[in-house]
Amino acid sequence: EVQLVETGGGLIQPGGSLRLSCAGSGFTITASTNYMSWVRQAPGKGLEWVSVFYSGGSTYYADSVKGRSVISRDNAKNALYLQMNSLRAEDTAVYYCTRDPGSSGMDVWGKGTTVTVSS
Amino acid sequence: DIQMTQSPSSVSASVGDRVTITCRASQDISSWLAWYQQKPGKAPKLLINAASRLQSGVPSRFSGSGSGTDFILTISSLQPEDFATYFCQQANSFPWTFGQGTKVEIK
Repeated sequence: EVQLVETGGGLIQPGGSLRLSCAGSGFTITASTNYMSWVRQAPGKGLEWVSVFYSGGSTYYADSVKGRSVISRDNAKNALYLQMNSLRAEDTAVYYCTRDPGSSGMDVWGKGTTVTVSS
Repeated sequence: DIQMTQSPSSVSASVGDRVTITCRASQDISSWLAWYQQKPGKAPKLLINAASRLQSGVPSRFSGSGSGTDFILTISSLQPEDFATYFCQQANSFPWTFGQGTKVEIK
């Protein structure tokens, strides 16, 4: 079964750091055609695309997290990560890991992990 | 950045109704558009990609059309399980962006 499972969320104080993990199964995260993204959803709000890892090593970030976040992957563990630093209250959201097999739509989503930034 | 604008933001409809949701891009995105369905507390589900390509397992009452800047998601005969929020998303260029969502509610 093709699956993504996110972990690493929690309650973190403003200014803190967190690393989210996404474990893939049933497919290879590092396949050259896969665009692996993080998408977040603040409570009661819409979807916001955060970052992508694609084409063997290219990355892109939303302006809202650029300079504070780093997306990476571990080929051996078939995993994707998002390191988030200098966290703010507005980073509070459910974070989803997703797969897009060809820049045409995200066809696999994890269940999400919740990040709450609060003192 | 490409802005995606959905309308309406919510719609009340009855089982059996035809529902249409519009998504407009701020610039030409060709057919690089996807539609998602999200139910409360769940992750979004991909319904349609490439503007009109129905994903495997998605009922045929869902259809997508459009290209360039204007796109439509149509539910031909609304079923009880279709009450949810629908989002469009452009995959033409980074940063990928979503519409604000359309909530389909029971009338």
